[in-house]
Amino acid sequence: KQEVTQIPAALSVPEGENLVLNCSFTDSAIYNLQWFRQDPGKGLTSLLLIQSSQREQTSGRLNASLDKSSGRSTLYIAASQPGDSATYLCAVNQGGKLIFGQGTELSVKP
Amino acid sequence: GAVVSQHPSWVICKSGTSVKIECRSLDFQATTMFWYRQFPKQSLMLMATSNEGSKATYEQGVEKDKFLINHASLTLSTLTVTSAHPEDSSFYICSARDRISGSNTGELFFGEGSRLTVL
Repeated sequence: KQEVTQIPAALSVPEGENLVLNCSFTDSAIYNLQWFRQDPGKGLTSLLLIQSSQREQTSGRLNASLDKSSGRSTLYIAASQPGDSATYLCAVNQGGKLIFGQGTELSVKP
Repeated sequence: GAVVSQHPSWVICKSGTSVKIECRSLDFQATTMFWYRQFPKQSLMLMATSNEGSKATYEQGVEKDKFLINHASLTLSTLTVTSAHPEDSSFYICSARDRISGSNTGELFFGEGSRLTVL
């Protein structure tokens, strides 16, 4: 059974820092991996989608990498801002279904 | 970009009543939609896969008679929580995949969620 783990569960950093969020999964048989952002009481906003054949994807200050063989993905956020404060979720697509990690709650202090 | 809309965004009901939540893909067609529930400070748990024109596929442990899913068109899926009880109070989120993007590998787009409170 696929299990997705995100470390750390919570992270607090001062504004301007670069940071890395980690995601690991136990079964490498995935189609792709998505990173999402969730604000309190809201739905999910898709940030980046990495297909299984890809190694990384970039969007603005965000960079996500995927090492399928080792079951790991990282989300790198450059020059963090208070507006980046949210919960970040990674999810792996296995058989067409998304299986989510528990999320990392990020707080960026001004 | 692809937009998924959920309605209502929040609902309060009395114990024993039924509540229907709608999930619509506004600018694309979706043969497959997914329903998740999320408890406070926890991740999303997949409840069922909604297939247009056929019966939904439920995950293990999810009562199909309790959570009725109907996917009557390529842009609408509904989740009905029947005879709701306080333990059904949760945040319900739907997602949809564009029919054009492929059967399993396309990006999933999520609705804003529906918060259900059962008194």
